[in-house]
Amino acid sequence: QSVLTQPPSASGTPGQRVTISCSGSSSNIGSNTVNWYQQLPGTAPKLLIYSNDQRPSGVPDRFSGSRSGTSASLAISGLQSEDEADYYCSAWDDRLYGFFGGGTKLTVL
Amino acid sequence: EVQLVQSGAEVKKPGESLRISCKSSGYSFTNFWIGWVRQMPGKGLEWMGIIYPGDSDTRYSPSFQGQVTISVDKSFSTAYLQWSSLKASDTAMYYCARHSGLPDYWGQGTLVTVSS
Repeated sequence: QSVLTQPPSASGTPGQRVTISCSGSSSNIGSNTVNWYQQLPGTAPKLLIYSNDQRPSGVPDRFSGSRSGTSASLAISGLQSEDEADYYCSAWDDRLYGFFGGGTKLTVL
Repeated sequence: EVQLVQSGAEVKKPGESLRISCKSSGYSFTNFWIGWVRQMPGKGLEWMGIIYPGDSDTRYSPSFQGQVTISVDKSFSTAYLQWSSLKASDTAMYYCARHSGLPDYWGQGTLVTVSS
C-alpha cells in the first residue's frame, strides 16, 4: 500500500478530458511539491509535471497539474491514443525520503 | 544535454553480490542529488534512496535501508547501487534518476534477474 494513493485505472475516449488524483498527507503533499511522471510501455518514466503545476519544455499544454491541501491532480485534455500509459505522482516527505503513488493505468478507448 | 546511462542487464544467483552503475553527463554532477528507483515486474515505482555527490550525504527509504548501498565516484560522474547478497525478490528493473528535489532526468534502466 503506497503512502500516496492513486486510482489503479482511468479511461477516456479520444478528445475527452480525464483527471487522475493523488492523495497524501500533511507530511508529504501537504507540505511539499508534487511531480507527475508518464511511463509508456517498456520505457523509463518521463517527467510530465514538476512543482505541482509546471510543465518541462516539450510537454504539451494538454497536460496540467494542480495541488490543494493534501491532494494533487493531473488533468489531460484532448486525450490522444499516445497518452495510453502509466502515470505516477511523487512527493518528498518531511521524514526525509521520497514516495511515489501506486500508479494509474490510463486506457484510451 | 543531460544524460544518465546505466550499465547493462545482469543475471545473478541468490547470495551473489552485484554493483550496477549510472554515468551522468551534461550537468554539474556534484551539484545535484542522484538516486535509485525500483520497479518490480508488473508493479509500480519505489523510491530507494539518494546521494549527494558533493559530500556523499545519503538518504534511504526505510524499506531499503540496510538492504542496498548507494555510492558515487565523483571522478567518473558515476553513481552505484550495490547488493552484498542478492535474493530472488531483488529481481526488478532499477532506474537511476537525477533529483532536483524529486526525480527529473532518468536513466534507461538496468534489469536485474536473480535466479538459481
